[in-house]
Amino acid sequence: RKEVEQDPGPFNVPEGATVAFNCTYSNSASQSFFWYRQDCRKEPKLLMSVYSSGNEDGRFTAQLNRASQYISLLIRDSKLSDSATYLCVVNVDSSASKIIFGSGTRLSIRP
Amino acid sequence: GAVVSQHPSRVICKSGTSVKIECRSLDFQATTMFWYRQFPKQSLMLMATSNEGSKATYEQGVEKDKFLINHASLTLSTLTVTSAHPEDSSFYICSARRDNDYGYTFGSGTRLTVV
Repeated sequence: RKEVEQDPGPFNVPEGATVAFNCTYSNSASQSFFWYRQDCRKEPKLLMSVYSSGNEDGRFTAQLNRASQYISLLIRDSKLSDSATYLCVVNVDSSASKIIFGSGTRLSIRP
Repeated sequence: GAVVSQHPSRVICKSGTSVKIECRSLDFQATTMFWYRQFPKQSLMLMATSNEGSKATYEQGVEKDKFLINHASLTLSTLTVTSAHPEDSSFYICSARRDNDYGYTFGSGTRLTVV
């Protein structure tokens, strides 16, 4: 089993739609969780951290479910500019010194 | 804050030569830096963890003699791809973690093409 697993997609949704991604992780000791966004041929950029109580940043909502070991990202009112690959990132040791990337979920927003 | 500069952004080299990639933290000190490699349409794969003043920790399957890592100061880590081959062509990205902070900042990446 991979340490961090994501549905690769692609998700192709119309502008304005709501879309959700899930990501599962295998190490129950993982402490820190993030969603990153990566545009084609660019470096990943932090979208948002994921907190135990869940958190929201504008149109983006992140949730953590420790019991089932997954995190989710919800995008509401999607924009064309949301088209990118979304990477689930989890730290895999208790010292939070090393992070592992999921394979990414490709999202494409159509007009 | 937390800016990481990576250089060069793109390099083409001949098979058998060596290439050095630099990763600098510009406005903070980074005791730990990470080196990733990404092949087309694949995710980032951690290659090694670079620790200032000590040897790097390599992930399973990554040849330490081929990918030389040096982290001689708190603001600079270098990755040298030795005796490069076409299969080493990839996108290499570094990241650094600010002390006492879980945030990770990435360099802009280096696209290496070995011909």
